[in-house]
Amino acid sequence: EAQVTQNPRYLITVTGKKLTVTCSQNMNHEYMSWYRQDPGLGLRQIYYSMNVEVTDKGDVPEGYKVSRKEKRNFPLILESPSPNQTSLYFCASSFTLGTGENEQFFGPGTRLTVL
Amino acid sequence: AQTVTQSQPEMSVQEAETVTLSCTYDTSESDYYLFWYKQPPSRQMILVIRQEAYKQQNATENRFSVNFQKAAKSFSLKISDSQLGDAAMYFCAYRTGFLLTGANSKLTFGKGITLSVRP
Repeated sequence: EAQVTQNPRYLITVTGKKLTVTCSQNMNHEYMSWYRQDPGLGLRQIYYSMNVEVTDKGDVPEGYKVSRKEKRNFPLILESPSPNQTSLYFCASSFTLGTGENEQFFGPGTRLTVL
Repeated sequence: AQTVTQSQPEMSVQEAETVTLSCTYDTSESDYYLFWYKQPPSRQMILVIRQEAYKQQNATENRFSVNFQKAAKSFSLKISDSQLGDAAMYFCAYRTGFLLTGANSKLTFGKGITLSVRP
């Protein structure tokens, strides 16, 4: 089954404790992206990757890191989480060959709470 | 930069009735795609319908249809014969129609609208 998976689905942590949210897709997509969803703000892009070893900042990258060592994986790293990073996080992927018609497939979301 | 505006935070509809969710956008691009996503309580993002700016015909998917007014930069979603399972948050989103080169690859979302369905 074609899908994007994220782990963990739920996480409660404390300020300053490094964490990683994993994202994996099995559709051989070049493009992968992280969004955060906050009430009243919709989804905003954190980081994206056009292919292996190619990553760049989105609209709200502060406090986050990413890496793309393999095509299927795109982990989101919070080196020192803070309460303002409490949010719902989505990983998404799509093909890049072509135009914006390429559908972005979303993972199930990760609910992160930073105390 | 492109912006997407959903000005209604909440709407309610009676089961079996029709409801229209509004969305406006702003862009200087001539080619682009517009999307409606549904987010039920499970939080999964589900693509409901897609419209390409160059297509004059409004997209339709079963009970879901859009009213795309390019000159007015308006993209509303009509849900006919509303069902209890339609209750969700709905997001309008924009993506470039040109070749994906990097920063233009993202989806730009509106703030979302919560739709409730009354039995």
